[in-house]
Amino acid sequence: NAGVTQTPKFQVLKTGQSMTLQCAQDMNHEYMSWYRQDPGMGLRLIHYSVGAGITDQGEVPNGYNVSRSTTEDFPLRLLSAAPSQTSVYFCASSWDGGRPQHFGDGTRLSIL
Amino acid sequence: GQNIDQPTEMTATEGAIVQINCTYQTSGFNGLFWYQQHAGEAPTFLSYNVLDGLEEKGRFSSFLSRSKGYSYLLLKELQMKDSASYLCAVGSNDYKLSFGAGTTVTVRA
Repeated sequence: NAGVTQTPKFQVLKTGQSMTLQCAQDMNHEYMSWYRQDPGMGLRLIHYSVGAGITDQGEVPNGYNVSRSTTEDFPLRLLSAAPSQTSVYFCASSWDGGRPQHFGDGTRLSIL
Repeated sequence: GQNIDQPTEMTATEGAIVQINCTYQTSGFNGLFWYQQHAGEAPTFLSYNVLDGLEEKGRFSSFLSRSKGYSYLLLKELQMKDSASYLCAVGSNDYKLSFGAGTTVTVRA
């Protein structure tokens, strides 16, 4: 029972590079979300999805894109990495937006 | 949007009780959640309140007053492994979950 799987666990990028953070869940959850966590600021919602084909913006969406072509996968794309995007990124899933969320182990991203 | 406040740090002795308060302002309330996060790890779900009152789960209890925009998490019989950050989160009717900055609890022997 894998739950929510995020890859990679660690990544270092140069300013201007692009990359995709992967997130997959095997619980058949409809709701998936991406957060970033910075010291002293708690978790902030980047984008979320209430089902395949449906995505919406959270609190801090600028510089990030998402898509939800299947129920299982919810990748997060950084279009042109900036040092301000250095953070720990968590993916989460739940049955719906009003239920407790299951978090992946996180991706620690550094942008130089 | 949400405005969620909780204390930054709390310290308690092993075996004691600690109460972590959380106040919030929200439009379209859809549940209040508490998560535990150990350093370097992912948050894990502790408790959930959608109606007023107390929810008890073993050593952990959570209380909610929707009219006051107030919740607390009560940790009883503290153990060293309870040293962690505790996150208060508020759900809204537009399917978004907003988190407070977290309260770091340090348990001392």
